[in-house]
Amino acid sequence: TQLLEQSPQFLSIQEGENLTVYCNSSSVFSSLQWYRQEPGEGPVLLVTVVTGGEVKKLKRLTFQFGDARKDSSLHITAAQPGDTGLYLCAGDRTGNQFYFGTGTSLTVIP
Amino acid sequence: NAGVTQTPKFQVLKTGQSMTLQCAQDMNHNSMYWYRQDPGMGLRLIYYSASEGTTDKGEVPNGYNVSRLNKREFSLRLESAAPSQTSVYFCASSVTSFRLTDTQYFGPGTRLTVL
Repeated sequence: TQLLEQSPQFLSIQEGENLTVYCNSSSVFSSLQWYRQEPGEGPVLLVTVVTGGEVKKLKRLTFQFGDARKDSSLHITAAQPGDTGLYLCAGDRTGNQFYFGTGTSLTVIP
Repeated sequence: NAGVTQTPKFQVLKTGQSMTLQCAQDMNHNSMYWYRQDPGMGLRLIYYSASEGTTDKGEVPNGYNVSRLNKREFSLRLESAAPSQTSVYFCASSVTSFRLTDTQYFGPGTRLTVL
């Protein structure tokens, strides 16, 4: 059983549509990160959220950390083909290990 | 700067063979990590090195050994490969260990198949 579950696992949408990806756990995390990974490459950090209820915006991407620090969401507005990739959340529980989520594979069709 | 480099990019092994995956970083980072990525399971930590001269087990260390050769290099060894070790392996580095205020930088990965 994964500590961080992401949903949906796969998502295929048309260019211009909006979407939300969820990262959920029954455990409390000190902080949480979101990464994007393109085929054949390693993950690249998008954002870190550290405060319960925190909202961060990165251009068309909005990240939210749940009030109880057990979940997070990533919302993309007006998706573009360049947003295609695998989105991973990662949480820090105890300061001695990161736990990665199961991943959401996003395809944006032109 | 090259960032984090990994060799080889692809490898096919037979069950029981051994091999070493190499990783190097040129960012003067203290901490380095080895992860494996399997479909539907995200990344799982195998071993990490918080600083030069130290190594610790992660979530899935069985069947692997590591060596922090110096500050730049961190290698992962499979002594007797098994089909269950078929995966994509990523090396990463960060300034300090497991503080999410620090960014982990990942290499491009090694795709390993064990027959």
